[in-house]
Amino acid sequence: DGGITQSPKYLFRKEGQNVTLSCEQNLNHDAMYWYRQDPGQGLRLIYYSQIVNDFQKGDIAEGYSVSREKKESFPLTVTSAQKNPTAFYLCASSPRGEVYGYTFGSGTRLTVV
Amino acid sequence: AQKVTQAQTEISVVEKEDVTLDCVYETRDTTYYLFWYKQPPSGELVFLIRRNSFDEQNEISGRYSWNFQKSTSSFNFTITASQVVDSAVYFCALSEANSGYALNFGKGTSLLVTP
Repeated sequence: DGGITQSPKYLFRKEGQNVTLSCEQNLNHDAMYWYRQDPGQGLRLIYYSQIVNDFQKGDIAEGYSVSREKKESFPLTVTSAQKNPTAFYLCASSPRGEVYGYTFGSGTRLTVV
Repeated sequence: AQKVTQAQTEISVVEKEDVTLDCVYETRDTTYYLFWYKQPPSGELVFLIRRNSFDEQNEISGRYSWNFQKSTSSFNFTITASQVVDSAVYFCALSEANSGYALNFGKGTSLLVTP
């Protein structure tokens, strides 16, 4: 079955370390997105990519980086510059220029200690 | 600026009561999409409905119904005869072409249905 895989489900890192969150999709979607969720804040857009080798900053891109070398993969790196990285991270994908078929992964809960 | 406002942070009802979750949005686009998602404690987002800006027909799906009114920029969600399994956080979201159709979420409404 097609879908989005985010791994791992739980991730722990020490403060000051960079960490990369994985997002893989087999839906043949062109567009991919990363969201961050904090309690009471809803989901906020970090980065999005509409085609391979291209991506745009969302509302809260500072302290994060992404790459889009393959259509099916959109990894998110949380750098040491991100002041408060502990959060729930959700990846999503959709056909380019469309909202039909918008699909979310199951999320990664990152805890930085 | 917040494009999607869900003014109700938390709502608590007793089972079998009807409950309406409010959503007000802001956009300059003529073509846009509105969504509702449910997030149970497990964390995954469950898609409930998608509406485009040209379709103002209200929709009913079982105990769920949605009232889309462009005149007031609102897209409210009503659960009839609520059940304990409806307890979750509900998000309203807006999608616009000028942001690559990324979803702009409200802060969510936490619904607690007690027996």
